[in-house]
Amino acid sequence: DTEVTQTPKHLVMGMTNKKSLKCEQHMGHRAMYWYKQKAKKPPELMFVYSYEKLSINESVPSRFSPECPNSSLLNLHLHALQPEDSALYLCASSLGTSGIGETQYFGPGTRLLVL
Amino acid sequence: EDQVTQSPEALRLQEGESSSLNCSYTVSGLRGLFWYRQDPGKGPEFLFTLYSAGEEKEKERLKATLTKKESFLHITAPKPEDSATYLCAVQAGQGGSEKLVFGKGTKLTVNP
Repeated sequence: DTEVTQTPKHLVMGMTNKKSLKCEQHMGHRAMYWYKQKAKKPPELMFVYSYEKLSINESVPSRFSPECPNSSLLNLHLHALQPEDSALYLCASSLGTSGIGETQYFGPGTRLLVL
Repeated sequence: EDQVTQSPEALRLQEGESSSLNCSYTVSGLRGLFWYRQDPGKGPEFLFTLYSAGEEKEKERLKATLTKKESFLHITAPKPEDSATYLCAVQAGQGGSEKLVFGKGTKLTVNP
């Protein structure tokens, strides 16, 4: 089973709202990722958690706040977003052994629209 | 800086017309090259991981190959359901760097 689940599938929020995106995997993976993908562009890495610790932050604005409560769950808290933040937000996971290239498995994404 | 370039940007094929997609890369210390398929509005679906030059992997109508500078995704006798955007990504550098560098993708359309 290589399933990563994400909720919600769609989200519409105003610029003053606070919302959260959730991601879950039960593959025993110890690395989890958040990506942002704009239309007709490839995914762009936002954050990497390795063994529940933030290991990579790609200079993402502070209105995006990641959280990794345990090895199976990853959240992305959203606050005071801008319309240009509208995108498909993807979660991924991998084994986390940091050895040879690790395959990342992606979830279906959350389509976010900021009004 | 690590770079991944995919060509062509878009490709239209007739059903049954075989072809290849190209992914050329410039990286320091390749740790893995990955192919994904992505349907509109959905997450990338994993296809193949290649680790070293000369390696080949197959799955149904797809075959991925790797050289020291590029990878090819060969599609044999494609069907309309193979229509999607195909993404190539590389992972490079020292162990502990999990970052994937993606190409811009090739949008494949297979007409019946």
